[in-house]
Amino acid sequence: QKEVEQNSGPLSVPEGAIASLNCTYSDRGSQSFFWYRQYSGKSPELIMSIYSNGDKEDGRFTAQLNKASQYVSLLIRDSQPSDSATYLCAVSGLTGGSQGNLIFGKGTKLSVKP
Amino acid sequence: DTAVSQTPKYLVTQMGNDKSIKCEQNLGHDTMYWYKQDSKKFLKIMFSYNNKELIINETVPNRFSPKSPDKAHLNLHINSLELGDSAVYFCASRGTATYEQYFGPGTRLTVT
Repeated sequence: QKEVEQNSGPLSVPEGAIASLNCTYSDRGSQSFFWYRQYSGKSPELIMSIYSNGDKEDGRFTAQLNKASQYVSLLIRDSQPSDSATYLCAVSGLTGGSQGNLIFGKGTKLSVKP
Repeated sequence: DTAVSQTPKYLVTQMGNDKSIKCEQNLGHDTMYWYKQDSKKFLKIMFSYNNKELIINETVPNRFSPKSPDKAHLNLHINSLELGDSAVYFCASRGTATYEQYFGPGTRLTVT
């Protein structure tokens, strides 16, 4: 069974700090990795995608991928109260009918305190 | 301007009824999905459609049936609703170039 694991939190950080969110996945052949942000009562919103090992930066967000360790992380610099949300890690299936199918972790709830 | 839209936003109904949820995307995407998010917020895929053809079908009850009249629409029909069907249902779509999926606003279904 393909799985994506995240610490459910809540993760609490002070405003201005760096928030670090982590995710591990079981399918070694996975190729595509995503971070979604979901505010309470809203739909998941894609904030980062990463496909190769290393870091990918977009504004205050940095996604990190280590395929050897089957580990994906999201760093949020200068955290703001508006970043308070649940962050979902998603991994794309490998082949056949599951190709493109996203498997989601259960999400990490982030709370940024003013 | 809405990329992926769903109707209705809220749906309250009684056990045993049949209901439908509609989804439309204007992104020109080829693949559309239905997800269920339960009370514990776990998001799980139910179906996907690619060019009007079902390509994956996770282990959902056959009371749930996706219907796609064209590439831009994927509706979800649910027969004989049960209490356990209460959840938020999200529609999503993606193009062919990447595996990035974009979600609709969700439909909160409450079965009483």
